[in-house]
Amino acid sequence: DIQMTQSPSSLSASVGDRVTITCRASQNIDTYLNWYQQKAGKAPKFLIHAASTLQRGVPSRFSGSGSGTDFTLTISSLEPEDFATYYCQQTTRLPLTFGGGTKVE
Amino acid sequence: EVQLLESGGGLVQPGGSLRLSCTASGVTFSNYAMNWVRQLPGKGLEWVSGISDTGDTTYYADSLRGRFIIARDNSKNTLFLQMNSLRAEDTAMYFCVQTRSGGVSDGFAVWGQGTMVAVSS
Repeated sequence: DIQMTQSPSSLSASVGDRVTITCRASQNIDTYLNWYQQKAGKAPKFLIHAASTLQRGVPSRFSGSGSGTDFTLTISSLEPEDFATYYCQQTTRLPLTFGGGTKVE
Repeated sequence: EVQLLESGGGLVQPGGSLRLSCTASGVTFSNYAMNWVRQLPGKGLEWVSGISDTGDTTYYADSLRGRFIIARDNSKNTLFLQMNSLRAEDTAMYFCVQTRSGGVSDGFAVWGQGTMVAVSS
């Protein structure tokens, strides 16, 4: 199985901060990397596809980058509604695996 | 707007069975692969199973193969997960998820609200 490791597991930030979350795959996954946002008590929301493609309706302050084994999710200026847990996911090979999550608080 | 509505969760004794259902609306259901994802209490996300758009091909997490069965009825826009020989460690919120396309290994574009499964005596 491909292991996905996110760091940090949690971070403390303030509105207006630039936030960067990293995700590392245990092997090369090209750009088969997605990002999700989950707020407490809610289902995850699909943010980014193929490492860097924002889904429709996702604010442009979100961006993703990377390929191979190292990826980042960046929030350029944190808004109050961005406090949540973020997960990366690889889709290059089954089983599909998620990172452990990064809680932005 | 696409909506996925899960049902069938609840409290079951160890060794018991449950059948989860997920009904889709606002979408041509047969165009998309579907998956089940679970989230243990206070934990991260775990992919459980996936099924192709036609239902011909199914996939499972290795640890669950043999106990769980995924199926779909495209005529009723419904996805199923039959869970047998349930264990305490299967206690989780189960989400129904529609992928971006007909392929199981694609972005999880639409999520249901989840249905809770609790396995306890």
